[in-house]
Amino acid sequence: KQEVTQIPAALSVPEGENLVLNCSFTDSAIYNLQWFRQDPGKGLTSLLLIQSSQREQTSGRLNASLDKSSGRSTLYIAASQPGDSATYLCAVSGNQFYFGTGTSLTVIP
Amino acid sequence: NAGVTQTPKFRVLKTGQSMTLLCAQDMNHEYMYWYRQDPGMGLRLIHYSVGEGTTAKGEVPDGYNVSRLKKQNFLLGLESAAPSQTSVYFCASTLGDRGTETQYFGPGTRLLVL
Repeated sequence: KQEVTQIPAALSVPEGENLVLNCSFTDSAIYNLQWFRQDPGKGLTSLLLIQSSQREQTSGRLNASLDKSSGRSTLYIAASQPGDSATYLCAVSGNQFYFGTGTSLTVIP
Repeated sequence: NAGVTQTPKFRVLKTGQSMTLLCAQDMNHEYMYWYRQDPGMGLRLIHYSVGEGTTAKGEVPDGYNVSRLKKQNFLLGLESAAPSQTSVYFCASTLGDRGTETQYFGPGTRLLVL
């Protein structure tokens, strides 16, 4: 069974700092990997989707990379802002979707 | 375009009661999914559907039933609620093949079973 791990579980950074969130998975036979944002009491919003054949995707201040062979993905957030405070989840798609438990990010003004 | 909507937003049940959660999407998506989210465990797939009239089991299907009578709606039923089913339930949809498509999520239904 696919296991998805996100470390750290929580992270606090001062505003303006660049940061990296990590996601690892145990089975490299995936179709894609997605990064989501979840605000308290809300649903999930898709940030980036990386197909298994791709190495990275970028959207604004966000950059996600995928190393399928090593079972790792990173989400890079540049010049963090207080509005980036949320929980970030990664999910991999194989025979079904498997989610990590998320990293709770707090950006301190 | 409302995207994915869920009804109700919050519900309290007593053990043994039944209820149905409704998910609706207006994006003409083929695939729909029901997840539960519990602290420390991430989202887990309960059931999913690859098209109107189809359903399939996910990772944690026991105690739940689903139906997809119309393409835009996906219903999740609890026949006899148990405290272990206290959770936040999310519905999601994708346009086509789940391997290549972005998932769109609803806002969630918070269920408390006493």
